Amino acid sequence: QKEVEQDPGPLSVPEGAIVSLNCTYSNSAFQYFMWYRQYSRKGPELLMYTYSSGNKEDGRFTAQVDKSSKYISLFIRDSQPSDSATYLCAMSGGWNYGQNFVFGPGTRLSVLP
Amino acid sequence: DTGVSQDPRHKITKRGQNVTFRCDPISEHNRLYWYRQTLGQGPEFLTYFQNEAQLEKSRLLSDRFSAERPKGSFSTLEIQRTEQGDSAMYLCASSLAGRQRGEKLFFGSGTQLSVL
Repeated sequence: QKEVEQDPGPLSVPEGAIVSLNCTYSNSAFQYFMWYRQYSRKGPELLMYTYSSGNKEDGRFTAQVDKSSKYISLFIRDSQPSDSATYLCAMSGGWNYGQNFVFGPGTRLSVLP
Repeated sequence: DTGVSQDPRHKITKRGQNVTFRCDPISEHNRLYWYRQTLGQGPEFLTYFQNEAQLEKSRLLSDRFSAERPKGSFSTLEIQRTEQGDSAMYLCASSLAGRQRGEKLFFGSGTQLSVL
């Protein structure tokens, strides 16, 4: 079992749809949870950063963490064509955790106008 | 704050040649990471530095790979005797880490390596 699993997609939705992206993980030491957006041939860009369980909202984006289920989600409301990218989840056990960050394989999202 | 800068953006080389990549992190950041990413995969950890000290290397990292961060600022990643399997995007990231909670990782645009 991989440490972090993510549905690779691709996922295609019409403009304006609500998008749900998900990751599951196996290591209970993870405490920090991130979502990155990566456009083609670019480096990942940090979108959301959360600590422990709960929700965090930033504009059209909402991140949810359920540590009891080892499950995290990213919701995108009113999706736009400019949201078309690969979304990577990432996790960390903290500043002194070995190899700090572990990434999922990414989900490719296409938002169709 | 100009972000993380990587050079070159693209590198094409022949099998067996040596290549070197450079990364300039965000100026106040003390940690610098190297990752490798292949198509359809997330970034895979290679190594990281805290200031000038290389604290950890992936067990998967071949001896042909070496990284330095001589003055705790920029870093170089060298691949000797390149193989076609080394073709990938090489990503550099930096962070400001300490005993406070959390650590946010900021990436550069990467160096795309193609080994022919």
